[in-house]
Amino acid sequence: KNEVEQSPQNLTAQEGEFITINCSYSVGISALHWLQQHPGGGIVSLFMLSSGKKKHGRLIATINIQEKHSSLHITASHPRDSAVYICAVSGPGNQFYFGTGTSLTVIP
Amino acid sequence: DAGITQSPRYKITETGRQVTLMCHQTWSHSYMFWYRQDLGHGLRLIYYSAAADITDKGEVPDGYVVSRSKTENFPLTLESATRSQTSVYFCASSDTSGIREQFFGPGTRLTVL
Repeated sequence: KNEVEQSPQNLTAQEGEFITINCSYSVGISALHWLQQHPGGGIVSLFMLSSGKKKHGRLIATINIQEKHSSLHITASHPRDSAVYICAVSGPGNQFYFGTGTSLTVIP
Repeated sequence: DAGITQSPRYKITETGRQVTLMCHQTWSHSYMFWYRQDLGHGLRLIYYSAAADITDKGEVPDGYVVSRSKTENFPLTLESATRSQTSVYFCASSDTSGIREQFFGPGTRLTVL
């Protein structure tokens, strides 16, 4: 059983397209995190949110607590956005649960 | 340098050997975490520590041992490595538990032959 489910698993887009990655979770959470992992492996935190919406440059993250769902949007996608995007939730007992990631490729 | 570092970055070992992966952070974060990342599973928590001398099991602790004698260090030891422990290991730190972002180390790629 996966506490966090992401879709799609793989995504290919043309440069400039609007991209949406979805995340659903099944546990009670204190916060939801979106992470980015580039080829080469480094993981960085993009957003942490517990309600509403956050925006950072071309990236927007939203969360609906009632529906246990979050989305990560990328506007005007660029090849440098190519990476794996990981949804994670911090749940009860200091546990973190991670989705398996969405591999995004943006083609010039 | 400030930040979170892991060593070694790459390690090849043989079944049955003991291996220790090091993690060091310079922020004095209270919480530190060890994850493994495998294809099809995403990141899975092995152990975490809320403070020096306080550690607790995560989702997949079997075969691993941790210690935290100093706030800045959180070594992970595989006492008798098995092939199923071939993975990429990430250390992370946070200044509190779930309500703050985690900062990840660069990872250690471990191969057990």
